[in-house]
Amino acid sequence: DAKTTQPPSMDCAEGRAANLPCNHSTISGNEYVYWYRQIHSQGPQYIIHGLKNNETNEMASLIITEDRKSSTLILPHATLRDTAVYYCIVRVRSNTGKLIFGQGTTLQVKP
Amino acid sequence: GAVVSQHPSRVICKSGTSVKIECRSLDFQATTMFWYRQFPKKSLMLMATSNEGSKATYEQGVEKDKFLINHASLTLSTLTVTSAHPEDSSFYICSAVYRGEDGYTFGSGTRLTVV
Repeated sequence: DAKTTQPPSMDCAEGRAANLPCNHSTISGNEYVYWYRQIHSQGPQYIIHGLKNNETNEMASLIITEDRKSSTLILPHATLRDTAVYYCIVRVRSNTGKLIFGQGTTLQVKP
Repeated sequence: GAVVSQHPSRVICKSGTSVKIECRSLDFQATTMFWYRQFPKKSLMLMATSNEGSKATYEQGVEKDKFLINHASLTLSTLTVTSAHPEDSSFYICSAVYRGEDGYTFGSGTRLTVV
């Protein structure tokens, strides 16, 4: 699976959009971009995934650049409960393959 | 949605004893489950892949005799930390694959403290 690079930490004001970047310059054509988050002392939670088109669900939006070498997770109206570590993972879509976590970005939403 | 239940949430044990952690898929069958450990302020580290009815596959550097994994049914995988030592103190998390979704579902984790 391709490696990802994320900033170690970011701050965001409550109510504003949080934009979390991820670089995955070695991504292969059949690899998807997945985002998970982990709130303190809990198990990770799936957020969203995409291949090359932008995706949106009730939690977030995922913007993938045309060359697919980077992506941005957008939380449109961040709340204090969105404070967590956000992980960007690139992998082949599979229901049996491993999920390998990088270091992630610690997002601190401030009042 | 798919739910994975993990028990216990916290456990304290004495050095030299063994501890069993359970991971159950509540409303789906999971042929594959994964076990992770996480140290404070660190990312999740994959320990092993648990396959129903067969031996687990361990990641490099993980002692299979120390971390015993049993996946005896399609809804239950267990991790037993044998002869626990203080350095085994960590946050252990399981996950399971739910075929109806692309995302993996995770348990809430077990905080193990060995004293």
